[in-house]
Formats: sequence, structure tokens, C-alpha cells
Amino acid sequence: QKEVEQDPGPLSVPEGAIVSLNCTYSNSAFQYFMWYRQYSRKGPELLMYTYSSGNKEDGRFTAQVDKSSKYISLFIRDSQPSDSATYLCAMSSGYSSASKIIFGSGTRLSIRP
Amino acid sequence: DSGVTQTPKHLITATGQRVTLRCSPRSGDLSVYWYQQSLDQGLQFLIQYYNGEERAKGNILERFSAQQFPDLHSELNLSSLELGDSALYFCASSVDQASYEQYFGPGTRLTVT
Repeated sequence: QKEVEQDPGPLSVPEGAIVSLNCTYSNSAFQYFMWYRQYSRKGPELLMYTYSSGNKEDGRFTAQVDKSSKYISLFIRDSQPSDSATYLCAMSSGYSSASKIIFGSGTRLSIRP
Repeated sequence: DSGVTQTPKHLITATGQRVTLRCSPRSGDLSVYWYQQSLDQGLQFLIQYYNGEERAKGNILERFSAQQFPDLHSELNLSSLELGDSALYFCASSVDQASYEQYFGPGTRLTVT
């Protein structure tokens, strides 16, 4: 079993819809949770990161962490065609081991105009 | 543009050969990370250097090695190449030696034939 599980998709939604992307994990030591966006033929770019449980909002993006369920989510409101990309969740157990970030396999998202 | 540069963009070589991938971090960043991204394994952390010294190792094969030079650029050396080494290789950089805010380069696509 992988430490981080992510549905590969593809996920296709109409423009303006609310998108929900999710990851589950097995390592209860994970405390730092990140979401990266990767456009085709580009490197990943960090969207958001959160520490421990709770919500974090940044514009149209909201990240949620539920440590009791070992489940994290990224919500995209008012989705745009420019949001079409692969979204990777990532997590780590501590600041000192930040370099050992474990990535999910990524979910391909397509926003239909 | 993340400010991280990688060369070459594409590399095609034969099994058994040796190649060198190059990365220049963002101006001011002292940490360099190397990742391998393949379809079946996702994004895997290989190794990290901070200010010229190795800081952390991930799933890096013994046939692979890396170094970071005094000008902070880094090279990843892959030797005795196998078909399974075909993948995208990303370099990322960050200011600190433990940071979740990693900036990824555009990657080098390696094809081993």
C-alpha cells in the first residue's frame, strides 16, 4: 500500500463548477500537507501548504486537512479552463525532514469551457 | 517561470550509457533537490544538497550520483542506464535546507533506448 493515495482521474467538469480533489494517507506522522499544480510539460508549482488539521483559503482555492480520517482535500471554486492541470498532493512528517516529501500520483483535471 | 533552469530539455541515449543533467537554482536559493517522475511511480525524491553538502537521500539508485558546486548549480549523473530509467527528472530549489516552498525547474526528459 502506498503511503499517499490519489485518484488519477481524469476529472472533467464544466467551467464555473466547484472542484474537489482528494488524497488519503496512511502515515499518521504526516503533519505538513501541500498541493502542487503541474501543467503539461512543466514542473510542479506549489499552490498551498497547511500544517496539521484545519482549513486554509487562498482566493478560489481552499485546502482542508482531516488528520483523524487521514484525508486531505483541495477545493477550487469558480473553476476556469486555466485550472486544467494535474494536481499533486504532497506531505511530510516534520520540518526537519521537509526534503523527504511524499507525493501523490496526481489527479488530471480538465475544465470544459 | 520559476527561475530554476535545467539542461538539457530532452536527452535520448542507449542502455549502458552515462548522462549528466544540470540544474541552476533560483538566485539566492541554497538548497537543490532532485526528483524523478515516471508514469508508474509518480514524483519520487532522489537527493538534496544544501550549500554544497548532501542533506538528504531518497530513493536514489547507486548508479546515480549528484553534486552541488560552489556556484550552487547542481549536476545529477546517471550511469549504466537501463530502460526503466526513462523518466522526467526535475530539479527544485529553496532558500532554506528544510522548506516546503520548493520551486521546480521545467525538467529534463530522459529516454533510454
